[in-house]
Amino acid sequence: GENVEQHPSTLSVQEGDSAVIKCTYSDSASNYFPWYKQELGKRPQLIIDIRSNVGEKKDQRIAVTLNKTAKHFSLHITETQPEDSAVYFCAARETGANNLFFGTGTRLTVIP
Amino acid sequence: KAGVTQTPRYLIKTRGQQVTLSCSPISGHRSVSWYQQTPGQGLQFLFEYFSETQRNKGNFPGRFSGRQFSNSRSEMNVSTLELGDSALYLCASSFKLAGAYNEQFFGPGTRLTVL
Repeated sequence: GENVEQHPSTLSVQEGDSAVIKCTYSDSASNYFPWYKQELGKRPQLIIDIRSNVGEKKDQRIAVTLNKTAKHFSLHITETQPEDSAVYFCAARETGANNLFFGTGTRLTVIP
Repeated sequence: KAGVTQTPRYLIKTRGQQVTLSCSPISGHRSVSWYQQTPGQGLQFLFEYFSETQRNKGNFPGRFSGRQFSNSRSEMNVSTLELGDSALYLCASSFKLAGAYNEQFFGPGTRLTVL
């Protein structure tokens, strides 16, 4: 099955700086890569996703890039704000399936 | 449109007991997936139901089972509880079984504590 690795496990940035979280996957059959944000005590919320036919996607301060050849994808958050503080999970999904394989999460702390 | 709901939100059980958790998907969604979230193992896929049939299963023992009803509501059951079953159990719903534009939306989870 798919194996997703995520780095770093913790990340602290000053408010206004950028944050980058990286993930790698093992199964070349994976074609969908969502990112979830989970605040303490709350459900994971889908914040952005990318499909394998696209190299980059942006939504306001959040962007995701995908390198299919290298099997890695990254989340970029610009102009970070304290409310961006949360645990972020990357995930991968194989073609024809619905279940997600998750990375181990990155705890992002934005220091005011 | 109401989101995914799960009941109960918190549960305390003792070893050896069994437990049933419930999940109601977003209206119109027919697929329900279950995940276990623990600090040590992260988010792991348990199983998925679609049209009242289990379609996919993760690597969990047979003590973990589930079902889905005709209204797409799903339940999961854990029998003979072990301390290691303490976790946040999340369900996620999506519109269909698979496909490129088939996002999964999570419920708030049921936090199970096994004493």
